[in-house]
Amino acid sequence: QQPVQSPQAVILREGEDAVINCSSSKALYSVHWYRQKHGEAPVFLMILLKGGEQKGHEKISASFNEKKQQSSLYLTASQLSYSGTYFCGTAPKRDDKIIFGKGTRLHILP
Amino acid sequence: DVKVTQSSRYLVKRTGEKVFLECVQDMDHENMFWYRQDPGLGLRLIYFSYDVKMKEKGDIPEGYSVSREKKERFSLILESASTNQTSMYLCASSPGGPGQGYSPLHFGNGTRLTVT
Repeated sequence: QQPVQSPQAVILREGEDAVINCSSSKALYSVHWYRQKHGEAPVFLMILLKGGEQKGHEKISASFNEKKQQSSLYLTASQLSYSGTYFCGTAPKRDDKIIFGKGTRLHILP
Repeated sequence: DVKVTQSSRYLVKRTGEKVFLECVQDMDHENMFWYRQDPGLGLRLIYFSYDVKMKEKGDIPEGYSVSREKKERFSLILESASTNQTSMYLCASSPGGPGQGYSPLHFGNGTRLTVT
């Protein structure tokens, strides 16, 4: 079952905050986040394992609510370099395949 | 840094041709994957392999096959290319045992295939 991402697209000005959500109808073992810039390969951002773990990487952090089967990616004080398409991927079990959402397009304006 | 190299960035083939897409990774990863990326559909898994000579179907295997004769190389084969296989193809690798639930994927830059 493909996870649902929201919003589908968002336009922000530099310095504003963004939240991207990922929701699944199945119980999850892990949630993965990737960013893909135009014409480039997707790049790994972070993995969150079940347990309500929150991770951070500079101004990008994420949370995982295991009970609600939801994850959110937080981009704080967005920079121009944050523009791209963000994908979440979910895995019901440790040894399962990841299923990716359709992506959220983020465009940061100067 | 892990490097996943796809042999062609752009490829144009005719309907009915046999097409080979090659992928090589240099970090001794056990797991390798082929994805297809189409606008509005996200990344869809075609085939994957957790070991040499091992392969498993992903979510959209129809019209494709794969080969993994060496650990570092994973080939995607379109036996008879059709126009609906025009797409961006991404190869990825990951370390560790079977499964994707706990390891990051390292992607190649992709091959944009056009079938005319």
